[in-house]
Amino acid sequence: SAVISQKPSRDICQRGTSLTIQCQVDSQVTMMFWYRQQPGQSLTLIATANQGSEATYESGFVIDKFPISRPNLTFSTLTVSNMSPEDSSIYLCSVVDMFGTDTQYFGPGTRLTVL
Amino acid sequence: AQSVAQPEDQVNVAEGNPLTVKCTYSVSGNPYLFWYVQYPNRGLQFLLKYITGDNLVKGSYGFEAEFNKSQTSFHLKKPSALVSDSALYFCAVRDLNDYKLSFGAGTTVTVRA
Repeated sequence: SAVISQKPSRDICQRGTSLTIQCQVDSQVTMMFWYRQQPGQSLTLIATANQGSEATYESGFVIDKFPISRPNLTFSTLTVSNMSPEDSSIYLCSVVDMFGTDTQYFGPGTRLTVL
Repeated sequence: AQSVAQPEDQVNVAEGNPLTVKCTYSVSGNPYLFWYVQYPNRGLQFLLKYITGDNLVKGSYGFEAEFNKSQTSFHLKKPSALVSDSALYFCAVRDLNDYKLSFGAGTTVTVRA
């Protein structure tokens, strides 16, 4: 399976600021996704990161708040903009590889705390 | 629309006893079903999946799951639980034509020595 890394692993930020999270995969993948896991909650899909085009956002998530880039088949970023304490969550990227295994693999996550 | 229900917030078992974590699903077409495990301060680790074929699926760390179409269930099982199996377990579903996963609320498993 693909090896996925995320940077930073954790951060503590002040409200009103923005944080960009990076997701790097060691091989080319077909699909990349960003999920949010709020404290004590399950995972919620934020968006599908599309290579070379705008991300596809799920209901309740907008590009102005969560801009996403995917410049190539191995890298994506998620920015959490104008943060508030409600944005404190774990953010995870996930990938589907090129070999049609249908399995989605997850990165280690970025634990964000907003004060 | 697709959804997953994990009816138990917590499951407590003694080490060496069988472990079962329940999951039921709803999806419009044929389901693709997954189990993931999350250890404290870690990301999600893939355990096993059902796509098609045998209803009994074997996965990592001695876990298995049984797909039951009539009951729309995909319960996770382990014949003999270990203390190290203590973690948060998520069931997830997607349909054939969409890679987006829908997750259950998660079940916290505690295995006591």
